[in-house]
Amino acid sequence: DTEVTQTPKHLVMGMTNKKSLKCEQHMGHRAMYWYKQKAKKPPELMFVYSYEKLSINESVPSRFSPECPNSSLLNLHLHALQPEDSALYLCASSPQVVLPTNYYEQYFGPGTRLTVT
Amino acid sequence: QKEVEQNSGPLSVPEGAIASLNCTYSDRVSQSFFWYRQYSGKSPELIMSIYSNGDKEDGRFTAQLNKASQYVSLLIRDSQPSDSATYLCAVGDYNQGGKLIFGQGTELSVKP
Repeated sequence: DTEVTQTPKHLVMGMTNKKSLKCEQHMGHRAMYWYKQKAKKPPELMFVYSYEKLSINESVPSRFSPECPNSSLLNLHLHALQPEDSALYLCASSPQVVLPTNYYEQYFGPGTRLTVT
Repeated sequence: QKEVEQNSGPLSVPEGAIASLNCTYSDRVSQSFFWYRQYSGKSPELIMSIYSNGDKEDGRFTAQLNKASQYVSLLIRDSQPSDSATYLCAVGDYNQGGKLIFGQGTELSVKP
């Protein structure tokens, strides 16, 4: 089973709202990722959590705040977003265990389509 | 700046033909290579991973890796209209905490 779930599927929010995106995996993966994807572009990495600790922040604006409550859950808190933040937000996970074959294979969730008005 | 390059396409092939998708990468120390398929409006789906030189086959898909030439390819045999999607090449580096560098993607169209 390589399922990553994300809620909500769609989100419309105003620039003054606060909302959160949620991601969950039950594959025992120890790394989780947030990506942002604009139309006709590849996914753009935002954050990486490895063993529940933030290991990579790709200089993301502070209006995006990640949280990893436990090894299965990943949240992305949104506040004071701009219309240009409208995009598909993808969560992914990877095993991150000491095996040469699938160490960094990343499995994506279905995404949250975010529209900022 | 580490780069992964793909032809953006669109690549159009007739149903039943072999589709060949190519990718080059700039970082010689890259160790892991992936192909993702992304249908319009959906998320990327991992279809192949390859770690050593040579060919790796899975059903109608074959991934080929040549580290000396810094080249990775994906062949799709007996292409079907359902294979029409954007194919993303991704390259990983263990020294970068598992970060993947994505190419821009190649749009494949399989015509009935």
